[in-house]
Amino acid sequence: QVQLVQSGAEVKEPGASVKISCQTSGYTFTEHFIRWVRQAPGQGLECLGRMNPKTGVTHYAQNFQGRVTMTRDTSIRTAYLELTSLKADDTAVYYCTRGGTSGSFSDAFDVWGQGTMVSV
Amino acid sequence: SYVLTQPPSVSVAPGQTASITCEGINIRSESVHWYQQRPGQAPALVIYFDTRRPSGIPERFSGSSSGSAATLTITRVEAGDEADYYCQVWHSPDDHYVFGSGTRVTVL
Repeated sequence: QVQLVQSGAEVKEPGASVKISCQTSGYTFTEHFIRWVRQAPGQGLECLGRMNPKTGVTHYAQNFQGRVTMTRDTSIRTAYLELTSLKADDTAVYYCTRGGTSGSFSDAFDVWGQGTMVSV
Repeated sequence: SYVLTQPPSVSVAPGQTASITCEGINIRSESVHWYQQRPGQAPALVIYFDTRRPSGIPERFSGSSSGSAATLTITRVEAGDEADYYCQVWHSPDDHYVFGSGTRVTVL
């Protein structure tokens, strides 16, 4: 079945960077967008942006531009999220998600990873 | 930026119907998706493109959209439906994925 398995929890000092991995299986990695979503403790969901795993083309949410980088390694079907210049309010669970099957930007987030807790 | 508004909470007795609204400007022109997040778990898709159910989601879950609101309806509510529910759209003018503020469904 389709699975997105993320790397483990991280604890970082303010000003540091964090890089989270998302290993995928059960589908063709290059045929679905990867989007990253975060959830601060007790708060709602916020999307950081998306990446096309086939081309590597990315689009970042305005709130994170300049601090976020999304990359991938197609040989191991893994996506990565790097966030720099961490602040206390970056403390959150970070989820990788898969875009739906139509290949459209408006697709749902149809499969979610288990989440990675980042504490700053 | 585009805003989606949901009621903070909905309470419903077992066996009854819960309706969760999601309001946004011209939302009828957007494709709305709905997610369920049980305590301590990752969100999961329950309705996509306004009305469609992923495989494995019970028929008790349905979606609709009209006027200025989309609605998630859960019929014959069960204890296991107790969760936070989020609506979401992709707002094309600014190419941004927007989530609603979330609604906590409590089963009495």
